[in-house]
Amino acid sequence: KQEVTQIPAALSVPEGENLVLNCSFTDSAIYNLQWFRQDPGKGLTSLLLIQSSQREQTSGRLNASLDKSSGRSTLYIAASQPGDSATYLCAVTGTASKLTFGTGTRLQVTL
Amino acid sequence: EADIYQTPRYLVIGTGKKITLECSQTMGHDKMYWYQQDPGMELHLIHYSYGVNSTEKGDLSSESTVSRIRTEHFPLTLESARPSHTSQYLCASSLQGVNEQYFGPGTRLTVT
Repeated sequence: KQEVTQIPAALSVPEGENLVLNCSFTDSAIYNLQWFRQDPGKGLTSLLLIQSSQREQTSGRLNASLDKSSGRSTLYIAASQPGDSATYLCAVTGTASKLTFGTGTRLQVTL
Repeated sequence: EADIYQTPRYLVIGTGKKITLECSQTMGHDKMYWYQQDPGMELHLIHYSYGVNSTEKGDLSSESTVSRIRTEHFPLTLESARPSHTSQYLCASSLQGVNEQYFGPGTRLTVT
């Protein structure tokens, strides 16, 4: 059974810092990996999708990498802003197109 | 921006009532999903559908049921709500072969 772990569980950084969120998964037989953002009480917003054949994806200040063989992904956020404060979720797509989610990293960016 | 909608956004209801949570998408996606998320916990897949008249149970056992009569519509029903059903329910959809899931805003259900 696929298990997804995210470290750290919570993170507080001052505005302007670069930061890295970590995600690991136990079964490397995945189709893709998605990073999502979730604001309190809201749904999920897809940030980046990395196909299993890719090594990284970039969107603006976000860069996600994937090392499928070692079961790891990182989300790099450059020059963090207070508006980046949210919970960041990592999820992998396995068989039957089903997503398995991690428990998330709760990020707070302070002024 | 993804065009996937859920109603109601918030629902407070008494024990024993029948409820239906609505989910619809206008993107023509054939795959649709329901997830349950307790506060501070991870999302768990409870139902999914590959297309019209196709429904499957997800990884987390749920007393809810779903139907898929139209491509764009994937309602979730609880015949008799209980306090243990209190949670957030998130609907998602994806296009066949792409596997990128788009999520609705969620329904926060409280059963008293």
